[in-house]
Amino acid sequence: DAKTTQPPSMDCAEGRAANLPCNHSTISGNEYVYWYRQIHSQGPQYIIHGLKNNETNEMASLIITEDRKSSTLILPHATLRDTAVYYCIVRVGGGAQKLVFGQGTRLTINP
Amino acid sequence: DVKVTQSSRYLVKRTGEKVFLECVQDMDHENMFWYRQDPGLGLRLIYFSYDVKMKEKGDIPEGYSVSREKKERFSLILESASTNQTSMYLCASNQQGSSAKNIQYFGAGTRLSVL
Repeated sequence: DAKTTQPPSMDCAEGRAANLPCNHSTISGNEYVYWYRQIHSQGPQYIIHGLKNNETNEMASLIITEDRKSSTLILPHATLRDTAVYYCIVRVGGGAQKLVFGQGTRLTINP
Repeated sequence: DVKVTQSSRYLVKRTGEKVFLECVQDMDHENMFWYRQDPGLGLRLIYFSYDVKMKEKGDIPEGYSVSREKKERFSLILESASTNQTSMYLCASNQQGSSAKNIQYFGAGTRLSVL
């Protein structure tokens, strides 16, 4: 799996958009970008994934650069409940593979 | 709504006890996983199973065993609990196959303390 780099921490005001960057310059053509988050003392939660097109679901949007070397997760209207550690993972699709989380970004939403 | 349920959120056990951690998923997923998560060490795979009665060792299987008698249930067993097994244990499941949706769904976790 390609290595990812994320800032260790970020702050965002409640109600504003939170933009979380991820660098994955060694990504290969068949690898997807996945985002998970983990709220304190809970299990990780899947957010979104993409290959090369931008993606949007009810939780977030994912913007992948044209060269696919970086991406941004956007939480459009952050709430206090979005305070969590966010993990960017790059991997091929397929079932029985372990997840490996890096250090992630600790996002704090401030009132 | 997908659901992975772990039997306990918190457990306190004594050294040497046999400990059972249970996980049930209601999504008819073929694959199930047991991880442990420790500060500074991230998520580490203990065992996974891709079918009933099938199991594969992960990165840190020593001191653990697993059981998968039914598709929806995957149990983690600590044969003789030790203090270095104090950790957060996470169960996950996902679909088999080469679909891009390699999405793992996690339970809420069991925080185990071995005294």
